[in-house]
Amino acid sequence: GAGVSQSPSNKVTEKGKDVELRCDPISGHTALYWYRQSLGQGLEFLIYFQGNSAPDKSGLPSDRFSAERTGGSVSTLTIQRTQQEDSAVYLCASSLGQDQETQYFGPGTRLLVL
Amino acid sequence: SQQGEEDPQALSIQEGENATMNCSYKTSINNLQWYRQNSGRGLVHLILIRSNEREKHSGRLRVTLDTSKKSSSLLITASRAADTASYFCATDEFGTGANSKLTFGKGITLSVRP
Repeated sequence: GAGVSQSPSNKVTEKGKDVELRCDPISGHTALYWYRQSLGQGLEFLIYFQGNSAPDKSGLPSDRFSAERTGGSVSTLTIQRTQQEDSAVYLCASSLGQDQETQYFGPGTRLLVL
Repeated sequence: SQQGEEDPQALSIQEGENATMNCSYKTSINNLQWYRQNSGRGLVHLILIRSNEREKHSGRLRVTLDTSKKSSSLLITASRAADTASYFCATDEFGTGANSKLTFGKGITLSVRP
């Protein structure tokens, strides 16, 4: 079956512009996660959606970052007024929820802010 | 702060040898997972061990967990060149609820020489 997909694969933008990154989770997965991975680093948690509950936004690094999950499926991560330090790979993952802890990751979006 | 810390940071072995990677963490956990990442893109789940388990096997993988020392090890037996990748441990922190965020270490780069 189809895995987690993300788009675009790569995004180059200029400092100060807004960007939107999209994640399509595995069908039927109620939990969705966004992570960020800077060069040579581990993954940094950004935000977590579980069903209709309020999202856990505790990892968002600043108010320039926001995310939505419409209809309990597709999610969009928006970065406003991008800065060079936002350059990273943004990874989305989903899981079944219901105490199924394994997270399935998408291929990521590589963001470069010039 | 980083929850999981892997060591060594880099490991180079000959094909056929065993590879042992270690992870330490700081807080009480529900479970610990190991993931693999090729070429800085999406992560692939390898194995999950729960806090009440001490050892688990999956194919050529063996993972151990010592909650008293807050540490885990991942053993890959009879390594292959295709095992070359980065390996991350991730913890699901106790008390944060099932399916909550994972906290990742910075990863171990494994190189298996043919």
